[in-house]
Amino acid sequence: DTGVSQDPRHKITKRGQNVTFRCDPISEHNRLYWYRQTLGQGPEFLTYFQNEAQLEKSRLLSDRFSAERPKGSFSTLEIQRTEQGDSAMYLCASSYRNRGWGYTFGSGTRLTVV
Amino acid sequence: AQTVTQSQPEMSVQEAETVTLSCTYDTSESDYYLFWYKQPPSRQMILVIRQEAYKQQNATENRFSVNFQKAAKSFSLKISDSQLGDAAMYFCAYSEAGNMLTFGGGTRLMVKP
Repeated sequence: DTGVSQDPRHKITKRGQNVTFRCDPISEHNRLYWYRQTLGQGPEFLTYFQNEAQLEKSRLLSDRFSAERPKGSFSTLEIQRTEQGDSAMYLCASSYRNRGWGYTFGSGTRLTVV
Repeated sequence: AQTVTQSQPEMSVQEAETVTLSCTYDTSESDYYLFWYKQPPSRQMILVIRQEAYKQQNATENRFSVNFQKAAKSFSLKISDSQLGDAAMYFCAYSEAGNMLTFGGGTRLMVKP
């Protein structure tokens, strides 16, 4: 069990550029979640997958955001035409039903839009 | 929609003392899970303790325990024998059977030596 991995750890981009983040969940976990966290706030749900199916999307996920989990393993989160308001920590978590649901988080990708 | 409220933005405790962090939530469901997560500065979210709503017994994990009051929709975290390493943001969270987590706004815990 290597935990949930996120890449990159930090990303600085210019406004208007596209960025893509990757999340590798724990291998036996079939559910994968994306959250956004701004400084001093609790994480906000963006979207989640069960295997390769995207089950739910938050209204926070505008048309500029897209997420995929093509083979039910790793996932990518793309932000197109970044805005300064997109600056945040993007967290990935995965879960599996084993004597109740548990969620394991990655270290996050910190995005700064300049 | 479910909501989670943490009414204490900051708490402070003396090392070796006990502190209780408060959390209330709103739901119409009867089967759900509640969590406390710890987030040290610039570090990842770590699960502290978990409670299944169908279990009447309060969860405990070493120095950490919860007071789960289902009827009152209250889920407080007690940290006994506080240590300097307990200093962090603490988030209360709610979920229903593998669906997304809904987080509270967090409580910053400071531990004084």
